[in-house]
Amino acid sequence: EADIYQTPRYLVIGTGKKITLECSQTMGHDKMYWYQQDPGMELHLIHYSYGVNSTEKGDLSSESTVSRIRTEHFPLTLESARPSHTSQYLCASRAGQGYTEAFFGQGTRLTVV
Amino acid sequence: GEDVEQSLFLSVREGDSSVINCTYTDSSSTYLYWYKQEPGAGLQLLTYIFSNMDMKQDQRLTVLLNKKDKHLSLRIADTQTGDSAIYFCAEILYQKVTFGTGTKLQVIP
Repeated sequence: EADIYQTPRYLVIGTGKKITLECSQTMGHDKMYWYQQDPGMELHLIHYSYGVNSTEKGDLSSESTVSRIRTEHFPLTLESARPSHTSQYLCASRAGQGYTEAFFGQGTRLTVV
Repeated sequence: GEDVEQSLFLSVREGDSSVINCTYTDSSSTYLYWYKQEPGAGLQLLTYIFSNMDMKQDQRLTVLLNKKDKHLSLRIADTQTGDSAIYFCAEILYQKVTFGTGTKLQVIP
């Protein structure tokens, strides 16, 4: 059972609002990731982190920002939500070097109206 | 590049074998994975293979790796309706986990 949690599971919010999607893991993993998943399934890496105070942009340009002040916590923030941000957001973590499994949260389904 | 390609859709009859294919572009990848995503859920690891292996079998699952062609496949024997899901291959390169485009498997009873 993976110990990685995302909140909220579902969120409907108006255009222009600031939102933060939470992701927490209790496994002590150094590496954490945020993916945006299209309705057509494809996963796009938008942010990742190697550890505390480390954040990197992923392959897909995103207007969101992340922070990594604590090992267990990797929140994603949208300063001003737009309908184009409507998507499923998946958080993942993995430990150490080499072969280690990435564990996923259940996801946050965001709808911006 | 780090594009990982999969066919979008596969439909099989219950009891038949399913074969899901994946082509990756970077031969430096050392670990390759198969994940399963059920509706409304996150991804769960099904199996993995090291790049120095050609094949790995785990109960109904068989993974084949052709490094020369950068081709990875997942075979599910005796496919069940509970296997209906989206399947992603993934590679780890430079600490980033890059996923394929996903294959939706539909199992017809």
